[in-house]
Amino acid sequence: SQQGEEDPQALSIQEGENATMNCSYKTSINNLQWYRQNSGRGLVHLILIRSNEREKHSGRLRVTLDTSKKSSSLLITASRAADTASYFCATDRSSNTGKLIFGQGTTLQVKP
Amino acid sequence: NAGVTQTPKFQVLKTGQSMTLQCAQDMNHNSMYWYRQDPGMGLRLIYYSASEGTTDKGEVPNGYNVSRLNKREFSLRLESAAPSQTSVYFCASSPRVSNTEAFFGQGTRLTVV
Repeated sequence: SQQGEEDPQALSIQEGENATMNCSYKTSINNLQWYRQNSGRGLVHLILIRSNEREKHSGRLRVTLDTSKKSSSLLITASRAADTASYFCATDRSSNTGKLIFGQGTTLQVKP
Repeated sequence: NAGVTQTPKFQVLKTGQSMTLQCAQDMNHNSMYWYRQDPGMGLRLIYYSASEGTTDKGEVPNGYNVSRLNKREFSLRLESAAPSQTSVYFCASSPRVSNTEAFFGQGTRLTVV
């Protein structure tokens, strides 16, 4: 079964606005990762946050992790039309041997 | 630097036919993975290879076999294709098996009729 559940499934905003996506998971993790997928393309890694970290930044991206609630959020600030894509969280579980398990994704549309 | 290369990009098969999807990475990564992506299902792990010489089942291994031919190459074989295997297949690699990002190929769109 899927490890991550993402919310919302779809999000439509205007350019310049912030976009927030959430991910919940079920088991203990080593880390949680976020990926972007442009239409018809492969996934591109955005950011990795370890289980002992609470917040991480990369450019306009801010990721938080709450291991007590088993949840993470991805914030994209000052969105651009080029941010239009699907965003996936993926968990690297403590009990596994390196399997990355993906959520179902959030489709983000940024209107110019 | 090509990264992860998958061939073919598109394929149409008839039910019962077999085929092999090829994947090669040039980043000297130890671990490689095969995922399938279906609408509304996200990515599901089919098989993975933590290191050269080892392979393990993922979430949805039924109907597939894999071969880690060498450190660079990891192939996925469908012995008898079924319409339920219509999907987009992604190969990925990572430097090691845990606590690291994965690098993805561009995908193979497979249709089984």
